[in-house]
Amino acid sequence: ELKVEQNPLFLSMQEGKNYTIYCNYSTTSDRLYWYRQDPGKSLESLFVLLSNGAVKQEGRLMASLDTKARLSTLHITAAVHDLSATYFCAVDMHTQGGSEKLVFGKGTKLTVNP
Amino acid sequence: ETGVTQTPRHLVMGMTNKKSLKCEQHLGHNAMYWYKQSAKKPLELMFVYSLEERVENNSVPSRFSPECPNSSHLFLHLHTLQPEDSALYLCASSPRQGGGTGELFFGEGSRLTVL
Repeated sequence: ELKVEQNPLFLSMQEGKNYTIYCNYSTTSDRLYWYRQDPGKSLESLFVLLSNGAVKQEGRLMASLDTKARLSTLHITAAVHDLSATYFCAVDMHTQGGSEKLVFGKGTKLTVNP
Repeated sequence: ETGVTQTPRHLVMGMTNKKSLKCEQHLGHNAMYWYKQSAKKPLELMFVYSLEERVENNSVPSRFSPECPNSSHLFLHLHTLQPEDSALYLCASSPRQGGGTGELFFGEGSRLTVL
């Protein structure tokens, strides 16, 4: 059974600071996704990482994937209040019939304080 | 119009009621999913439909009954639910594997409260 673990689960940081969220998973997969969820809202796709060594950047967020270590990181640079949200990583297990089966971590609730 | 639309957004029902959640996707995808999001738990995959055929059922109790009449619509029929079934139910869609990145596109969710 695939397990996906994120840490930390709660993160409070000051504006302007840097921090990294970690996502570890237990079985082989070469597809990993990061999503953002604001309170009361749906999940918004942030990054799709499809191969070992993949690195994607969007604004103050950068995600990377190391499939050998079964580890992905989401790095936050110079945090701003608007980044406050819950961030989920998800790993693709695939299903029969060709559809996707994403297993999610518990999420990291990020609060950026002024 | 958003890509994946869910109705109702909020639902309160008694344990003896029968209700349904509806999901519609306008993205031309061939796979649709139901996920359950409870407080303090990871998102749980409930059902997967690929080309209108159910391909995944994650040991979900029979009081939850999915229906996928076509590739654009997905329903979750609810019957004799328990209070612990109160949660946010998220619908998602994706292109069939080989035609995309495997990324799921989520609806806004239906917040269910069982009294």
